Amino acid sequence: QKEVEQDPGPLSVPEGAIVSLNCTYSNSAFQYFMWYRQYSRKGPELLMYTYSSGNKEDGRFTAQVDKSSKYISLFIRDSQPSDSATYLCAMRVAGANSKLTFGKGITLSVRP
Amino acid sequence: GAVVSQHPSWVICKSGTSVKIECRSLDFQATTMFWYRQFPKQSLMLMATSNEGSKATYEQGVEKDKFLINHASLTLSTLTVTSAHPEDSSFYICSASRDGYGYTFGSGTRLTVV
Repeated sequence: QKEVEQDPGPLSVPEGAIVSLNCTYSNSAFQYFMWYRQYSRKGPELLMYTYSSGNKEDGRFTAQVDKSSKYISLFIRDSQPSDSATYLCAMRVAGANSKLTFGKGITLSVRP
Repeated sequence: GAVVSQHPSWVICKSGTSVKIECRSLDFQATTMFWYRQFPKQSLMLMATSNEGSKATYEQGVEKDKFLINHASLTLSTLTVTSAHPEDSSFYICSASRDGYGYTFGSGTRLTVV
């Protein structure tokens, strides 16, 4: 079993839809959870950063972490064509500068 | 804030030559930088962790003599691909940690070896 599993996709939705992206993990030591967005031929861009369990909202984006279920989610409201990209979940254990473990990424396409 | 600049964005080199990629943290000091490799439609694969002033820690299976990493200052890390071959063609990305917060990535370097 991989440490981090992410739905492989791809995912195609109409503009304005609510998008739900999910990852599960097996390492209970993970404490910090991130979502990155990556456009083609670009480096990943940090979207959301969450410590431990709970919800975090930033504009149209909401990140949820459920440590008891080892499950994290990213919700995108009112999706836009500009949201079309690859989304990667990432997580790490406690400790300064510990390495990130990534999901495989899911490619989202938002149709106008 | 937290900008990481990576250069060059793309490079083509001949087989057998070496290529250096630079990664700079522009507005913060990065004690730790990470180097990744990414193949098309795949996730990021960590190659090595670089700490300022000390030797890099390489992931299993990564040739340290082929992928030379130098982290001479708190704002600069370099990756040199030595004696490059076509199989080294890939997308290389660096990231830097700002006090352990969410890590910031560079824009990536597309290396093509011909």
